Amino acid sequence: DSGVTQTPKHLITATGQRVTLRCSPRSGDLSVYWYQQSLDQGLQFLIQYYNGEERAKGNILERFSAQQFPDLHSELNLSSLELGDSALYFCASPTSAGGPPPGELFFGEGSRLTVL
Amino acid sequence: GESVGLHLPTLSVQEGDNSIINCAYSNSASDYFIWYKQESGKGPQFIIDIRSNMDKRQGQRVTVLLNKTVKHLSLQIAATQPGDSAVYFCAFFPRGQGYQKVTFGTGTKLQVIP
Repeated sequence: DSGVTQTPKHLITATGQRVTLRCSPRSGDLSVYWYQQSLDQGLQFLIQYYNGEERAKGNILERFSAQQFPDLHSELNLSSLELGDSALYFCASPTSAGGPPPGELFFGEGSRLTVL
Repeated sequence: GESVGLHLPTLSVQEGDNSIINCAYSNSASDYFIWYKQESGKGPQFIIDIRSNMDKRQGQRVTVLLNKTVKHLSLQIAATQPGDSAVYFCAFFPRGQGYQKVTFGTGTKLQVIP
């Protein structure tokens, strides 16, 4: 158990819809990273939050947004969903502020989104 | 559980044998490398890391080898066990960068034959 909690584990929705994925980092961790893992693709960095503020942005679509709340949980909002958004979405929190040095990154079990 | 690695290269190994999983990277500025294990339905799990000033690092039953000349990283698992069945992928970091700039490989699926 990594200590990172993600909900829901599975989500099936239709094109054009909007979903929210939730993540609680490990106790005491201030930083949250979101990654997308499409079928048989490497993890792609989406966005990072640190103590409630956006810290870095990766390959995140404009239809996607995220936030981190005062209790440090984070939500990833995906809107106007397309078939290609079907993927595993992971949240992770690191042992350090994220680098350098990177330290160990603890991943949640992911949320599998299926867009039909 | 989830289907991870349906179309990934697969390495089938007899239980008790050694496994070698390889990863090539292209960015010569990479100076930190990690191997992850991802079991079906789970998130990636850190196995072992290595810095570019080393060419070998050993853990419990695992060894990572780094060849900077040919930009190649390998993971050796000794006495492979059924519980080692998973997708393994490497991650590499540009010098001085963190998880915002990491590149993850697509992975190799390890199947352990009992």
